[in-house]
Amino acid sequence: DAKTTQPPSMDCAEGRAANLPCNHSTISGNEYVYWYRQIHSQGPQYIIHGLKNNETNEMASLIITEDRKSSTLILPHATLRDTAVYYCIVRVVGPDTGNQFYFGTGTSLTVIP
Amino acid sequence: ETGVTQSPTHLIKTRGQQVTLRCSSQSGHNTVSWYQQALGQGPQFIFQYYREEENGRGNFPPRFSGLQFPNYSSELNVNALELDDSALYLCASSLSRGNTGELFFGEGSRLTVL
Repeated sequence: DAKTTQPPSMDCAEGRAANLPCNHSTISGNEYVYWYRQIHSQGPQYIIHGLKNNETNEMASLIITEDRKSSTLILPHATLRDTAVYYCIVRVVGPDTGNQFYFGTGTSLTVIP
Repeated sequence: ETGVTQSPTHLIKTRGQQVTLRCSSQSGHNTVSWYQQALGQGPQFIFQYYREEENGRGNFPPRFSGLQFPNYSSELNVNALELDDSALYLCASSLSRGNTGELFFGEGSRLTVL
């Protein structure tokens, strides 16, 4: 069962903000939202994560709605090197399940010169 | 560079064979997870090892098995290979079983089953 839904592809002009949406309407109260990206089938790379509050780091900002059913990853000034597949992930932790990351199918972001 | 290394990077097997993939976790990380990524899909959780024991498993059959060693490195074994097992197999390490920190992924082992 897919825990996250993302648009399959998006374009963004270089230097502009890229806003990548994600729906996770079945998320539970203690489940985190993570974002990773993957370039050319390399290993996924961590971007940011959050639970309820908005988060910002040197790479991106994460905006989570108050009901936690959706979130948006914001790359403030996209560069050509940001072209990648971006995955919105729900992290589930339990005594029998371990620490599981549920990946969606991802959004392929293309930054256009 | 995450410090997670996987081997081999590419391999080809035939249906019915067995394969072993290896992973060295980042220094100090005691938890290792394995994911399968089919072409065009997101990674799918196979299982996780913590202190040499499996402590979480996704929807994969028993022919997918693993080991974790005292130095926290890990192996993924797949028996009776099927064509649908062709995928990128990703290993990820983390600091502990239940922390809120990120997973550090290796570059993966690409398995082709003919």
